[in-house]
Amino acid sequence: DGGITQSPKYLFRKEGQNVTLSCEQNLNHDAMYWYRQDPGQGLRLIYYSQIVNDFQKGDIAEGYSVSREKKESFPLTVTSAQKNPTAFYLCASSITSYKDTQYFGPGTRLTVL
Amino acid sequence: SQKIEQNSEALNIQEGKTATLTCNYTNYSPAYLQWYRQDPGRGPVFLLLIRENEKEKRKERLKVTFDTTLKQSLFHITASQPADSATYLCAQRPGTASKLTFGTGTRLQVTL
Repeated sequence: DGGITQSPKYLFRKEGQNVTLSCEQNLNHDAMYWYRQDPGQGLRLIYYSQIVNDFQKGDIAEGYSVSREKKESFPLTVTSAQKNPTAFYLCASSITSYKDTQYFGPGTRLTVL
Repeated sequence: SQKIEQNSEALNIQEGKTATLTCNYTNYSPAYLQWYRQDPGRGPVFLLLIRENEKEKRKERLKVTFDTTLKQSLFHITASQPADSATYLCAQRPGTASKLTFGTGTRLQVTL
């Protein structure tokens, strides 16, 4: 099965802790993205990567970090510096950054206790 | 800056009718618009892409139009069914150096 997976589906974190969200794709796509979705605000881009070992900040990168060491993997770390991390996080991939029809994972719902 | 706007109010229609959702954008026309469907608690799923030189695109019961004069795209679902109930997002890329930008989505509720 080709697709994009995210884990875990639900994640709970105590304030002050860093947490890493997993995103894996076997579509052989070059580009990968992380979005945050809050009620009424649509999808906001956190980070994106056009190719392995390269990534750029999106519109709301503060308090987040990423890595792209392998083509199929693009993990997102939510650090303690993120002021309001409770949200629904979506990972996506596209063939390239220009052929950008996006294939989304199922999402991870992060709740900070 | 470029903005993409969708009606935040839910659209309620009766089964069998045609649902029409609107996506407006400001400033300059994007090279293309994309439409996605999102079910609660799940990731969006790509439906259709329409380019600025295409007036209309169809896929089964779905139809998308693109009017660069009105700066608007319309998304139609004909013979709507309760299974069509979802949030529909439009997305555009303001420029070649930009990334895909999503609207906030419009929730469609199809009732029997």
